[in-house]
Amino acid sequence: NAGVMQNPRHLVRRRGQEARLRCSPMKGHSHVYWYRQLPEEGLKFMVYLQKENIIDESGMPKERFSAEFPKEGPSILRIQQVVRGDSAAYFCASSPPDSSYNSPLHFGNGTRLTVT
Amino acid sequence: AQSVTQLDSHVSVSEGTPVLLRCNYSSSYSPSLFWYVQHPNKGLQLLLKYTSAATLVKGINGFEAEFKKSETSFHLTKPSAHMSDAAEYFCVVSAVGGSYIPTFGRGTSLIVHP
Repeated sequence: NAGVMQNPRHLVRRRGQEARLRCSPMKGHSHVYWYRQLPEEGLKFMVYLQKENIIDESGMPKERFSAEFPKEGPSILRIQQVVRGDSAAYFCASSPPDSSYNSPLHFGNGTRLTVT
Repeated sequence: AQSVTQLDSHVSVSEGTPVLLRCNYSSSYSPSLFWYVQHPNKGLQLLLKYTSAATLVKGINGFEAEFKKSETSFHLTKPSAHMSDAAEYFCVVSAVGGSYIPTFGRGTSLIVHP
């Protein structure tokens, strides 16, 4: 039973390029969360999605960042026109359809984005 | 609103000695609390969770945590540290009626000396 799969593990982009990060949740899970981790900081919430719906994007920067979770396929976090400050580890987590506030999240191993 | 404060950014112990990682939370509602561990270049793994049942919660790898409402604390302990416990530890809060989005502390780096 595969866990949460994120790819790529490492991504290098030059300033101004686009970055696409993919997340396949655990089998049977329909809730996806994206978090960003900067050095020496905890995980900062970005967006919470269910299939075909953005539930909460209060942590997403207003510009350049977008996320989707289509009916088929992985969730995608897209960063347009990347800047050096976007360099971070991006983690995806998933939870099952019946999950609530007291359900733990299942995390992927993250994508480490480096902007040069 | 809800928040988590991990009181130590780094904790250093010798192998075989007790571990204490401190966490205080703030929540206007009954919280659920979690501890996660992150080994270098890995994702996060759930150690244990508290969800309003027993206040002393036992987790994996010999860790446990005690929920103290009067002190708004949820400290993580282990009687005897092992070298493999060296990692980053995160305290997390979420709450019904509040933000159901899990909120993370800044993390505590546990260093274990031989």
